[in-house]
Amino acid sequence: GAVVSQHPSWVICKSGTSVKIECRSLDFQATTMFWYRQFPKQSLMLMATSNEGSKATYEQGVEKDKFLINHASLTLSTLTVTSAHPEDSSFYICSAIPARIGNEQFFGPGTRLTVL
Amino acid sequence: AQSVTQPDIHITVSEGASLELRCNYSYGATPYLFWYVQSPGQGLQLLLKYFSGDTLVQGIKGFEAEFKRSQSSFNLRKPSVHWSDAAEYFCAVGAKAAGNKLTFGGGTRVLVKP
Repeated sequence: GAVVSQHPSWVICKSGTSVKIECRSLDFQATTMFWYRQFPKQSLMLMATSNEGSKATYEQGVEKDKFLINHASLTLSTLTVTSAHPEDSSFYICSAIPARIGNEQFFGPGTRLTVL
Repeated sequence: AQSVTQPDIHITVSEGASLELRCNYSYGATPYLFWYVQSPGQGLQLLLKYFSGDTLVQGIKGFEAEFKRSQSSFNLRKPSVHWSDAAEYFCAVGAKAAGNKLTFGGGTRVLVKP
């Protein structure tokens, strides 16, 4: 149990376009989901915390207008990178905390975004 | 603020030899502690976790970690490394008081020599 999926697994887009990444908890309900960003050979940096039915909480330095997060249901959170530029190219990973457990995050497989 | 330090960026170990990865954290109270492994281009796999209780924690793939409160450490060990253990390892800390947000260490890349 506690499986998290992401879609797409990789995406290539042109500069200036928007890209949506989905994060789904497949076999549990998640009251809280997190979005991380990982540059090559670096660690994960938390971008934002997403709670179902409420606005996301962004970490300092993360542009909320550029990285739109929607947590519309207990099993789905989306990250939209708006007006993407090459510097937004990165590995984006989501995680989810099962409502029944409450203190452990389960991670998705990640989405590789390349902006040309 | 929480912080996590993994002092070793790279470690090279011979197959069959023991492995120890260091992790030190800074936090006001006892946090939740985790070790994850990541293969290239993949997501994170949880190796083990510590919330409370016995300070020696057993995980998957033969890994164990020991929480030492006095040293603010949570070092990961494996008695005998296999070639498939070559990967990036991340230590992370979280706490319910911080909304269960995780702070990750910088990671340690493990290379296994045949």
